[in-house]
Amino acid sequence: QSVLTQPPSVSAAPGQKVTISCSGSSSNIGRDYVSWYQQLPGTAPKLLIYDNNKRPSGIPDRFSGSKSGTSATLDITGLQTGDEADYYCGTWDISLSAGVFGGGTKLTVL
Amino acid sequence: QVQLVESGGGVVQPGRSLRLSCVASGFTFSSYGIHWVRQVPGKGLEWVAFIWADGVNKNYADSLRGRFSISRDNSKSTLYLQMDSLRAEDTALYYCARDSLESSYSIDYWGQGTLVTVSS
Repeated sequence: QSVLTQPPSVSAAPGQKVTISCSGSSSNIGRDYVSWYQQLPGTAPKLLIYDNNKRPSGIPDRFSGSKSGTSATLDITGLQTGDEADYYCGTWDISLSAGVFGGGTKLTVL
Repeated sequence: QVQLVESGGGVVQPGRSLRLSCVASGFTFSSYGIHWVRQVPGKGLEWVAFIWADGVNKNYADSLRGRFSISRDNSKSTLYLQMDSLRAEDTALYYCARDSLESSYSIDYWGQGTLVTVSS
């Protein structure tokens, strides 16, 4: 049971947009920044979004993040087959004094 | 370029101990906090522990506190995870990962992981 809640799976057609949600509480998302990670099959996770909505160098602007209250979302536009991966949200929980992740969302590009 | 290379994984019997290592290169290791994150094959990410740059302050997942211990040797650019009283449920791929200096909390580089299998 993950501290942050994500839908297990989402799907959409190439070129479309998908939104992945991440729900937490006042001790984690409500108090700290959210980051998002992409994990392609058989590889280590990769940072996609940090500080709720910032992209590291090299991440295309098709990926965007936002946060409101105790929830965050990752939007991916112009879906490509290469975007098929697992996506995780993460943040710090001040009550636990620990990092926390969502359970992950598997994106299928139909 | 930034590299994190884990080692020390393998097959270990329940109740035994194992120490993982992570050698860093391509950045000033002593300036960064480092995380251990684990992943059961086919499952999600689980945060394990974090050690601050100075090596003094440490944080642990509640469920692992007391059995796992994180440490670092800045002179060797190396991170460690001492795992005691191992259980079958500790079987996972263990990643070391660098905490970003650019944000409040995010992990900007990950190693490729070392697999720990706890089995009799």
